[in-house]
Amino acid sequence: EAQVTQNPRYLITVTGKKLTVTCSQNMNHEYMSWYRQDPGLGLRQIYYSMNVEVTDKGDVPEGYKVSRKEKRNFPLILESPSPNQTSLYFCASSSPQRVNNEQFFGPGTRLTVL
Amino acid sequence: AQRVTQPEKLLSVFKGAPVELKCNYSYSGSPELFWYVQYSRQRLQLLLRHISRESIKGFTADLNKGETSFHLKKPFAQEEDSAMYYCALSSPHYGGSQGNLIFGKGTKLSVKP
Repeated sequence: EAQVTQNPRYLITVTGKKLTVTCSQNMNHEYMSWYRQDPGLGLRQIYYSMNVEVTDKGDVPEGYKVSRKEKRNFPLILESPSPNQTSLYFCASSSPQRVNNEQFFGPGTRLTVL
Repeated sequence: AQRVTQPEKLLSVFKGAPVELKCNYSYSGSPELFWYVQYSRQRLQLLLRHISRESIKGFTADLNKGETSFHLKKPFAQEEDSAMYYCALSSPHYGGSQGNLIFGKGTKLSVKP
């Protein structure tokens, strides 16, 4: 089944404790992105990647890092999480080769930073 | 600057009534615009894309370049249409792909019985 998976789905952590949220897609998509979803602010892009080893900042990259060592994986790293990073995070992937160029979203990761 | 504006946070209608979710954009080039939907406790999924000029689940959206709008419409709302709706604009990296989407803040549609 074609899908985007994220782990963990839920995470409660404390300020300053490094964490990684994994994202994986099995559709051989070139593009992958991370978004955060906050009430009243909608979806905001954190980072995106056009292909392996090609990443760029989105609208709200501060406090986050990403890497794209393999095509299927695009982990989101919070080196020193803070309470303002409490949010719902979505990973997404897409390919310019597809008709309609649809962006596929993961199920989301709800992060709480105490 | 590229921007997508959805002026209504919440839109509440009765079943069978027409519905229009507004979306305005600012973009200096030729935009690619999309509507995404998020049903309760589900992931976001593409509803429709302006280039396709299609009708999905009874919804249509027409790109009006003069008014810089891409409003989503449905003549007769159903209860199962209740969801969050996001309008999105694509920045033309690599030929206008969806690799870099800018989303509006979303409109919550509530269809009452």
